[in-house]
Amino acid sequence: EDQVTQSPEALRLQEGESSSLNCSYTVSGLRGLFWYRQDPGKGPEFLFTLYSAGEEKEKERLKATLTKKESFLHITAPKPEDSATYLCAVRSNSGYALNFGKGTSLLVTP
Amino acid sequence: DGGITQSPKYLFRKEGQNVTLSCEQNLNHDAMYWYRQDPGQGLRLIYYSQIVNDFQKGDIAEGYSVSREKKESFPLTVTSAQKNPTAFYLCASSPEAGHGLEAFFGQGTRLTVV
Repeated sequence: EDQVTQSPEALRLQEGESSSLNCSYTVSGLRGLFWYRQDPGKGPEFLFTLYSAGEEKEKERLKATLTKKESFLHITAPKPEDSATYLCAVRSNSGYALNFGKGTSLLVTP
Repeated sequence: DGGITQSPKYLFRKEGQNVTLSCEQNLNHDAMYWYRQDPGQGLRLIYYSQIVNDFQKGDIAEGYSVSREKKESFPLTVTSAQKNPTAFYLCASSPEAGHGLEAFFGQGTRLTVV
């Protein structure tokens, strides 16, 4: 059975203080690993898809990386508007839908 | 603009009532999904559909029903058999199910039992 674990559950950063969020996974054949951003009361917004170990994707202050067991979402010099819950999900050979972790709630203070 | 539209945004249900949540997409996607989100929990899969007139149960299908009569539409009915329906419901779609392609989400419906 696919498993996705995100850590930490919550993270508080000062504006400009870089950090990383972790997503560890156990799947039977990875077809894709996905990162989403979710604001309170809204649907998740797609950020990145990673397919193979060593792959990296970047968007503004965010960079996602992938190894065979985990993915990291690096946030460089965050701003208060980066505050949100970040969700990690996997699609594997054994499933037709995305399997989500519980998310990391990020708060960036001025 | 292409996207996924969920309605209503807020819904209140009395005990013993069935309610239907609407989900429409104009992305020409084959696959559609319903997830439930509770505080402190990840998204849990209720039902998914890979193609018109076909759908499969997810991890928490009990007390829910769906239909897929049109490619664009995938309504979810929360029946009186669902004992704890208060939650945030999210509909999503992707070009195909079972492939490494991202899913796109609607803005959600918050259902509250009163």
